[in-house]
Amino acid sequence: GAGVSQSPSNKVTEKGKDVELRCDPISGHTALYWYRQSLGQGLEFLIYFQGNSAPDKSGLPSDRFSAERTGGSVSTLTIQRTQQEDSAVYLCASSPRTSGIPQETQYFGPGTRLLVL
Amino acid sequence: AQSVTQLGSHVSVSEGALVLLRCNYSSSVPPYLFWYVQYPNQGLQLLLKYTSAATLVKGINGFEAEFKKSETSFHLTKPSAHMSDAAEYFCAVRSRGGGSNYKLTFGKGTLLTVNP
Repeated sequence: GAGVSQSPSNKVTEKGKDVELRCDPISGHTALYWYRQSLGQGLEFLIYFQGNSAPDKSGLPSDRFSAERTGGSVSTLTIQRTQQEDSAVYLCASSPRTSGIPQETQYFGPGTRLLVL
Repeated sequence: AQSVTQLGSHVSVSEGALVLLRCNYSSSVPPYLFWYVQYPNQGLQLLLKYTSAATLVKGINGFEAEFKKSETSFHLTKPSAHMSDAAEYFCAVRSRGGGSNYKLTFGKGTLLTVNP
């Protein structure tokens, strides 16, 4: 079956502009996660969704970052007023739920490579 | 708080040689443990995971890892390296639950180079 998909695969933007990154999880996966991978910081957790709600937003680095999920499926990560330090690969992952909690294995998409000039 | 340490940001081996990538974790309770592989310009692919059954875990592509609670380690090995194993490898942990703490915490990664 189809895996996690993300779009766009690459995004170049100018400092100060807003960007939206999209994630389509595996069908039926109720848990969805966003991570950021950068040279300086490695792989960092950003936010976790269960259904449409986000019980863990602890990794969002500033209030310029926000995310939403609709219909328990597609998620959008929005970065407002982008800065050069936002340049990174943004990875999305999903997992199914068993007995009320997310299964331990997370399945990753190919990522969106963001470059802020 | 959980943390993961991968010793060696870069490991270089010859084709056919043993691969050993080291991972140590810090957690008050043994967590779930994972090894992921990332090929250039791709996402993360799960190699193997430790949940709570056998401490020696076998994964894809001939890799295996052993969970050692006394050493808080989960080192990744492969008896004989192939050129196709060249990639970056990440060790990760996840809490066994409680609250909403389901995120993965990753090590810094180890870049494996395989020389012909």
